Amino acid sequence: DAGVIQSPRHEVTEMGQEVTLRCKPISGHNSLFWYRQTMMRGLELLIYFNNNVPIDDSGMPEDRFSAKMPNASFSTLKIQPSEPRDSAVYFCASRLQGFGETQYFGPGTRLLVL
Amino acid sequence: GENVEQHPSTLSVQEGDSAVIKCTYSDSASNYFPWYKQELGKRPQLIIDIRSNVGEKKDQRIAVTLNKTAKHFSLHITETQPEDSAVYFCAASLSGNTPLVFGKGTRLSVIA
Repeated sequence: DAGVIQSPRHEVTEMGQEVTLRCKPISGHNSLFWYRQTMMRGLELLIYFNNNVPIDDSGMPEDRFSAKMPNASFSTLKIQPSEPRDSAVYFCASRLQGFGETQYFGPGTRLLVL
Repeated sequence: GENVEQHPSTLSVQEGDSAVIKCTYSDSASNYFPWYKQELGKRPQLIIDIRSNVGEKKDQRIAVTLNKTAKHFSLHITETQPEDSAVYFCAASLSGNTPLVFGKGTRLSVIA
């Protein structure tokens, strides 16, 4: 079985540009999480979805960040406009809610905003 | 909400020695406690977990203990090897419906 899939794996962009990160959760999983990881702040939960519905977006740093999950197989995290301080590794993770808590991470997207 | 504290932030041990990483949590209702290992440039991967109805769990050289009264849990790695060098994260959550809350991580270095 394929694990969590993220694209792109690396993204280099200039300040002010729009960035879109993509995630495909493990088939059958109904919870999806977006994390940001930096040396200074560790692993931060940005937003999570249960059954495609956003449950808690209190971790989203500001209005420049938005996330969607139009169906059970796909989610996006968008940053518009991007800033250098958004440079980080962004992880998507999924799990099967209610039947077990094991959460599986994708390989991450390493974002560099110049 | 839940808060997870993890100590130490860095740990160096000689190959063959044991390593212990400790975490405390704040929400007494939390009942699921996983540990993740993250190698450099890789994703966090689950290595072991424990639920609140169990006090200890072992998997080869790795063990986790849980003290619900004190609200702390620990990861024990015995006979450490260089490939154990990584960042280890503890986490806690209520079972099933709430996200994991992670500690800040412990960077373990095993010196050959």
